[in-house]
Amino acid sequence: KAGVTQTPRYLIKTRGQQVTLSCSPISGHRSVSWYQQTPGQGLQFLFEYFSETQRNKGNFPGRFSGRQFSNSRSEMNVSTLELGDSALYLCASRTGTAGNTIYFGEGSWLTVV
Amino acid sequence: AQTVTQSQPEMSVQEAETVTLSCTYDTSESDYYLFWYKQPPSRQMILVIRQEAYKQQNATENRFSVNFQKAAKSFSLKISDSQLGDAAMYFCAYRAGGGADGLTFGKGTHLIIQP
Repeated sequence: KAGVTQTPRYLIKTRGQQVTLSCSPISGHRSVSWYQQTPGQGLQFLFEYFSETQRNKGNFPGRFSGRQFSNSRSEMNVSTLELGDSALYLCASRTGTAGNTIYFGEGSWLTVV
Repeated sequence: AQTVTQSQPEMSVQEAETVTLSCTYDTSESDYYLFWYKQPPSRQMILVIRQEAYKQQNATENRFSVNFQKAAKSFSLKISDSQLGDAAMYFCAYRAGGGADGLTFGKGTHLIIQP
């Protein structure tokens, strides 16, 4: 079955703009989480959604937001982009049962100029 | 807060040899899960192996095995018969058992396979 799909794969934005990234989880997976990967900070948890509800959020400013739709697809939004938001954004999904394995997509590369 | 530490930024091993990647973690939880993920140059995170904290038996997946020392909070990955395709960044990750927390990752170990 298809894996976690993220779009777009690559994008360039200007400082001050906003961006929306999309993630389609593995079929049957109800939980979607997002991570930011940068050379300096490594991999950091952004937030997790389950059945359209945000269940947990990492230590990121309010400019970072997300949502999940009834079909489990998720979007994350970053407003008022800063140069430091340049990163690989990884989406991951799992069935939602505690402890089960998290599967990752290929990521969306965001460059802010 | 939970922390995960990988003390080896880079490791190098000859093809067909065995290599061990180290990981330690800090948590006050009793129910948690540990993972090793591989990130090749394509940057997609690939699950290598997982370990439930309540299981005493070390997890094994083909050439990959772990040495889970719960009291010492240590979770090392052993790769046997190293292959060129094993070259990648390897990340150790922790997740609490409650279900809602995200993964906490270490900084990663860059594994180089010498032909």
